[in-house]
Amino acid sequence: NAGVTQTPKFQVLKTGQSMTLQCAQDMNHNSMYWYRQDPGMGLRLIYYSASEGTTDKGEVPNGYNVSRLNKREFSLRLESAAPSQTSVYFCASRIGLNQPQHFGDGTRLSIL
Amino acid sequence: QQQVKQSPQSLIVQKGGISIINCAYENTAFDYFPWYQQFPGKGPALLIAIRPDVSEKKEGRFTISFNKSAKQFSLHIMDSQPGDSATYFCAAGGTSYGKLTFGQGTILTVHP
Repeated sequence: NAGVTQTPKFQVLKTGQSMTLQCAQDMNHNSMYWYRQDPGMGLRLIYYSASEGTTDKGEVPNGYNVSRLNKREFSLRLESAAPSQTSVYFCASRIGLNQPQHFGDGTRLSIL
Repeated sequence: QQQVKQSPQSLIVQKGGISIINCAYENTAFDYFPWYQQFPGKGPALLIAIRPDVSEKKEGRFTISFNKSAKQFSLHIMDSQPGDSATYFCAAGGTSYGKLTFGQGTILTVHP
């Protein structure tokens, strides 16, 4: 039982490049989330998917797009990377409201 | 109204001491208050959670105290150990919300 798996673990991009961060969970969870973590800023929600087929903006959605591919997979896309998007990105999932969120181990993204 | 404010930003405690981290929220509709623990290079993991129908919840050395009227809750770590050194996040959510709002995080260091 792997839980929440994020790929890649590390990535370096040049400004203007695009890339997709992958997330998959094997716990049959309904809801999935993408966060970014920056020093002193805590975890800020980028986008979330309350259930398969739905996606909603979080606190900091600008510059990102998401796709809930199926119940297991939720991807985050940077169309034109900017240095301000240098961060650690975490994917999380949970079975339902007011239930614990389970996090992956993150993708460390640097944009030069 | 969605903010959760966490303090202190960092905390140094001697082994065997008590670590106390505080959080304050604004939205009275929040009814789920979890604490997450994060070790370097890992994603956050649920430590303990409380709902507003109780004023205190204890699990081993970890206790959440909840003050509904003041809209504050805190994490107490008794007999702190070097292995407790980590970043701690408080969060708040509610039955009406599909997401959690996280505090800014506290870096706890426990000296041997």
